[in-house]
Amino acid sequence: DTGVSQDPRHKITKRGQNVTFRCDPISEHNRLYWYRQTLGQGPEFLTYFQNEAQLEKSRLLSDRFSAERPKGSFSTLEIQRTEQGDSAMYLCASSSRLAGKDNEQFFGPGTRLTVL
Amino acid sequence: AQSVTQLGSHVSVSEGALVLLRCNYSSSVPPYLFWYVQYPNQGLQLLLKYTTGATLVKGINGFEAEFKKSETSFHLTKPSAHMSDAAEYFCAVSDVTNTDKLIFGTGTRLQVFP
Repeated sequence: DTGVSQDPRHKITKRGQNVTFRCDPISEHNRLYWYRQTLGQGPEFLTYFQNEAQLEKSRLLSDRFSAERPKGSFSTLEIQRTEQGDSAMYLCASSSRLAGKDNEQFFGPGTRLTVL
Repeated sequence: AQSVTQLGSHVSVSEGALVLLRCNYSSSVPPYLFWYVQYPNQGLQLLLKYTTGATLVKGINGFEAEFKKSETSFHLTKPSAHMSDAAEYFCAVSDVTNTDKLIFGTGTRLQVFP
């Protein structure tokens, strides 16, 4: 297993366009997280999946944002009608909470979104 | 609510000098604490973590951190800085609910001068 992968690595779009990002977690991990990181800040939690169920969404996740994780495997994050304030690095992480193991999250390389 | 404060957005040291990056946390429950490193245009890599047990934890690349409950601190140290340590460092606390989401500090950029 090569770790968490994200695609694309970079996305430049015009304001008002829709964008979709993909995250492929480590194969045996049942937990998946999306975070957003703006310049000079730490990552901020966006949403969490356990298997295919989306169990928590941050207030940061406006109604223009939607995330899915069909069949509990890869996940997609879509932003509709992008705004310049959406420009950020979008990070995906996965983990596996097994008995006796703590929840270490493994991060992907991120997708950097620039909205012009 | 849990939170993390990292004192000093930038830290500069000479190669071979002690590295000290400060982190204080706020948590109403026993915290799980983490330090991550981020190199330019890359994701986050776990350096070390504290969950339970020994309060002095050792991580990769010679880093270590000590959990001090009385001071609500989890400072990161390395005895001798190397040029390759130059990066952004993030302290995080785990929201120990069903989600275990991470709450990050604002980060400290470490510069290492020859």
